[in-house]
Amino acid sequence: GAGVSQSPSNKVTEKGKDVELRCDPISGHTALYWYRQSLGQGLEFLIYFQGNSAPDKSGLPSDRFSAERTGGSVSTLTIQRTQQEDSAVYLCASSLGPALAGGLETQYFGPGTRLLVL
Amino acid sequence: KQEVTQIPAALSVPEGENLVLNCSFTDSAIYNLQWFRQDPGKGLTSLLLIQSSQREQTSGRLNASLDKSSGRSTLYIAASQPGDSATYLCAAAITGTYKYIFGTGTRLKVLA
Repeated sequence: GAGVSQSPSNKVTEKGKDVELRCDPISGHTALYWYRQSLGQGLEFLIYFQGNSAPDKSGLPSDRFSAERTGGSVSTLTIQRTQQEDSAVYLCASSLGPALAGGLETQYFGPGTRLLVL
Repeated sequence: KQEVTQIPAALSVPEGENLVLNCSFTDSAIYNLQWFRQDPGKGLTSLLLIQSSQREQTSGRLNASLDKSSGRSTLYIAASQPGDSATYLCAAAITGTYKYIFGTGTRLKVLA
């Protein structure tokens, strides 16, 4: 079966522009995570979805960042008025069960979207 | 604030060696810990997940242990192979949240 897919794989944009990053989780996976991996740094948690709701969005760095999930499937991460410090790899992961589910939390990652803000 | 540290940052070993990667976390209130590998330019692949009530998990040549009281986890790789070359990341799930805190990884190179 297909794994987690993300699009675009690479995105170059100018400072101040808005960007949308898309994540298609594995079919049937109820949980979805967004992370950011900056050069030389570890993965940084951004937001967690269970179904279409986001019980934990504490990792979003500013109000320029938002995310939504529709139909319990596809998720979009939107960055408004991009800044150079937003340049990073944005990774999406999904898991079969919700967090705290006891054994269903194994996360499957997509290949990421490499964002470069000029 | 939970902090996750991985030592060493980089490791180079000859093929066939057994090796241990270390992961330490400052807050023992975790509900699981996962080990991942990341190949250059790719996403992460989950290797092992240890629930907080477990002490270890094994998969093939990999064995991960968890000691919550000391805030440590180790990943043991037996009979290393060049195909094991990658960056290995550990991530701790914080109790009461949905957040995973990742370490900065150990870059492993296994020489043929």
